[in-house]
Amino acid sequence: ETGVTQSPTHLIKTRGQQVTLRCSSQSGHNTVSWYQQALGQGPQFIFQYYREEENGRGNFPPRFSGLQFPNYSSELNVNALELDDSALYLCATHAGQGGFGETQYFGPGTRLLVL
Amino acid sequence: AQSVTQLGSHVSVSEGALVLLRCNYSSSVPPYLFWYVQYPNQGLQLLLKYTSAATLVKGINGFEAEFKKSETSFHLTKPSAHMSDAAEYFCAVSDSGSARQLTFGSGTQLTVLP
Repeated sequence: ETGVTQSPTHLIKTRGQQVTLRCSSQSGHNTVSWYQQALGQGPQFIFQYYREEENGRGNFPPRFSGLQFPNYSSELNVNALELDDSALYLCATHAGQGGFGETQYFGPGTRLLVL
Repeated sequence: AQSVTQLGSHVSVSEGALVLLRCNYSSSVPPYLFWYVQYPNQGLQLLLKYTSAATLVKGINGFEAEFKKSETSFHLTKPSAHMSDAAEYFCAVSDSGSARQLTFGSGTQLTVLP
């Protein structure tokens, strides 16, 4: 078990609604990445935050947005939900912008279902 | 751009048999390579990683992987499968051209037969 927690564990929304997912970092980790894992697929990178600034973004539309707070916890916000947004959302944290071989520690995920 | 291909979406082995999960990568710069395991309804747990030190990397739970640059491969092996190894396995790559993001393969579901 890592020290990364996510809430809620499950969520059901309808098309067009907005959702906020939360992630608490492992102690000492100031970088958080968010991934979307559709059923039967590998996780896909959404974006990364380092010390409260966006530090890279994958191929996701602007309706996917995020925040990182001074305590390094993070939120993922998705506006105008679409059916294809149904997935497991994972956050991963690690310490600093050191070497590229840093291990990312994953939380258990939030499963979002859009009806 | 970096990418990962995992050959075989489903692999079945008998308990006690060799486990071999295949991963090939594409990267324009020296890569960092990872294997993660995902148990049902859980997040991802790191098994092992390659960061340009030894080409044979040993991980947790008896797993190991060998980096072969000439073959652009990073296959995962375990000499003797246990029932508890049944899970989904993901290979991932990261390189200096990225924002330290991980690019994952599509995963291999490992079934261990009694």
